[in-house]
Amino acid sequence: GAVVSQHPSRVICKSGTSVKIECRSLDFQATTMFWYRQFPKKSLMLMATSNEGSKATYEQGVEKDKFLINHASLTLSTLTVTSAHPEDSSFYICSARDYTYTDTQYFGPGTRLTVL
Amino acid sequence: AQTVTQSQPEMSVQEAETVTLSCTYDTSESDYYLFWYKQPPSRQMILVIRQEAYKQQNATENRFSVNFQKAAKSFSLKISDSQLGDAAMYFCAYRSGFTHTGKLIFGQGTTLQVKP
Repeated sequence: GAVVSQHPSRVICKSGTSVKIECRSLDFQATTMFWYRQFPKKSLMLMATSNEGSKATYEQGVEKDKFLINHASLTLSTLTVTSAHPEDSSFYICSARDYTYTDTQYFGPGTRLTVL
Repeated sequence: AQTVTQSQPEMSVQEAETVTLSCTYDTSESDYYLFWYKQPPSRQMILVIRQEAYKQQNATENRFSVNFQKAAKSFSLKISDSQLGDAAMYFCAYRSGFTHTGKLIFGQGTTLQVKP
């Protein structure tokens, strides 16, 4: 299957700082990527849909000014958590839609964010 | 709005035995796709199997097969000859065939324990 990478895998930051997470599709072009948040032993909660060359579409209840998404190229989307607070600590997962052949979403390995 | 329900929070199976994970969904659409994803302790989401709604034949992938009952809106996953590496959280997901974004709607997940 297609490969999606995510960087960093873990990040610890101080409250009030911003953190950027990168999501890359390594062997396919992805015009659409997705960002999820997952709490322990819970399902994935879609935060936003990232579209290459246009603004992201945020799900209801997700603060767009806090979770900035940029999809600057067909292989890269970034999520920036601005002015992070301890309640933003979570596991963030990205996925990329591969339109070729199977039209399937492939997931990155996730990023564990801890805000102190 | 579409919903996906996994009514079994936890399941267990003896190694080499067969287990079935349940999933039901609700939709008024005629064109859609269904998926099973596996999330092992590493938390990397892995596609297990997919089913197109227009296909009557149940999808199979090696030891994994589905029982797709379109009229009943049921999509169960059968794991044959269970292995220790099958221990994971399993998510059922729905994707509309009508929206261009391709976003997934996930069920709550089922944690599968495999006993040696």
